[in-house]
Amino acid sequence: AQTVTQSQPEMSVQEAETVTLSCTYDTSESDYYLFWYKQPPSRQMILVIRQEAYKQQNATENRFSVNFQKAAKSFSLKISDSQLGDAAMYFCAYRARNSNSGYALNFGKGTSLLVTP
Amino acid sequence: EAQVTQNPRYLITVTGKKLTVTCSQNMNHEYMSWYRQDPGLGLRQIYYSMNVEVTDKGDVPEGYKVSRKEKRNFPLILESPSPNQTSLYFCASSFLTGGRGSSYNSPLHFGNGTRLTVT
Repeated sequence: AQTVTQSQPEMSVQEAETVTLSCTYDTSESDYYLFWYKQPPSRQMILVIRQEAYKQQNATENRFSVNFQKAAKSFSLKISDSQLGDAAMYFCAYRARNSNSGYALNFGKGTSLLVTP
Repeated sequence: EAQVTQNPRYLITVTGKKLTVTCSQNMNHEYMSWYRQDPGLGLRQIYYSMNVEVTDKGDVPEGYKVSRKEKRNFPLILESPSPNQTSLYFCASSFLTGGRGSSYNSPLHFGNGTRLTVT
């Protein structure tokens, strides 16, 4: 099974600053999807950004961008101009394109992001 | 509004009393699945379904049942709940992966979660 590792259990950033959350994964597949999900205290799982492995261009969504390094199997999330509402647990997730894994999302253990005024 | 609806949001029950958590999606997704979230363990898949009448086990299926009689519904059944099934449960759905660049590279859409406590 593919594994997803988030090495930072907790991170802290000041409002308006930039923070980068790390994620590495292990897979033998060449084609797959990567996602970042946000879970605020309301416990909803909210999609932040997605990346298809065959695309070399890094995905961006407003203040959120990724640094996708396929050879290194690294998928970090950069949050620019951090806002108080960004405080949440962030999960990195991997999804294979084939059915062998049941199309499951494999999640990392999460990084808790604290945003200070 | 496109959404995944699961009920109830909170449920407290006793060991051995059968319960069902309902899940419904209005996006015509083929794929539906159940996850449980536990501190320190992250989210783990319980069961999934790739279409009507097609279900299969995920990573932690013991003690759970599912059914997929209609495309939109995917209930999670605990026939005899035990305290180790106390957890936060999520239902999720998506299109199955399609061609590159198509809309079928869809992520999972999650319900709002069900907090289950078994005493």
